[in-house]
Amino acid sequence: LAKTTQPISMDSYEGQEVNITCSHNNIATNDYITWYQQFPSQGPRFIIQGYKTKVTNEVASLFIPADRKSSTLSLPRVSLSDTAVYYCLVGPPGNGGYNKLIFGAGTRLAVHP
Amino acid sequence: EPEVTQTPSHQVTQMGQEVILRCVPISNHLYFYWYRQILGQKVEFLVSFYNNEISEKSEIFDDQFSVERPDGSNFTLKIRSTKLEDSAMYFCASSLTDSNQPQHFGDGTRLSIL
Repeated sequence: LAKTTQPISMDSYEGQEVNITCSHNNIATNDYITWYQQFPSQGPRFIIQGYKTKVTNEVASLFIPADRKSSTLSLPRVSLSDTAVYYCLVGPPGNGGYNKLIFGAGTRLAVHP
Repeated sequence: EPEVTQTPSHQVTQMGQEVILRCVPISNHLYFYWYRQILGQKVEFLVSFYNNEISEKSEIFDDQFSVERPDGSNFTLKIRSTKLEDSAMYFCASSLTDSNQPQHFGDGTRLSIL
């Protein structure tokens, strides 16, 4: 599984756009990039997943450059409730044995009023 | 939206005692997982389960741990003889398939070993 590197922490203010970048230099051809969010005392929650270019859903956007060696999670107009830890995970889909999720330390995002 | 539910939310147990943590995965999901998170540390994979058998387990999941799907809805994690270092949040998760589908997590059981 590809090793990922992301900032330990970030600070932002309400209403700002937040971009969290994850490096994954050793990403394999069949790897997908997935982001999870974890609030205190809760389980991780799936945010978004992508393979290349750009993916957008109602919560976030995921930008993946052509070389796929990094990815950026973009949260538009954050609010206090977006304060959480954000995890970038890289790995192949499916085929039993690959379905475990390997979490790193994540990025602790603090949104201030 | 369907949820993974875990009970109890907090379990306090004496060292050496057996404990069973319970989970109800999302009803049409086929793959089930347990993870744990020691306070202040990373979320760690314990075990994955499919078709009534373990498909993968980590080094943490030693002989003291077992999992079971006793009926069509519950998925349990048993720790046979708890140790102080088993104190952690234990998260159950489920997914529809193992291929590219997100895992849905419960809110965990906080296990405190005294």
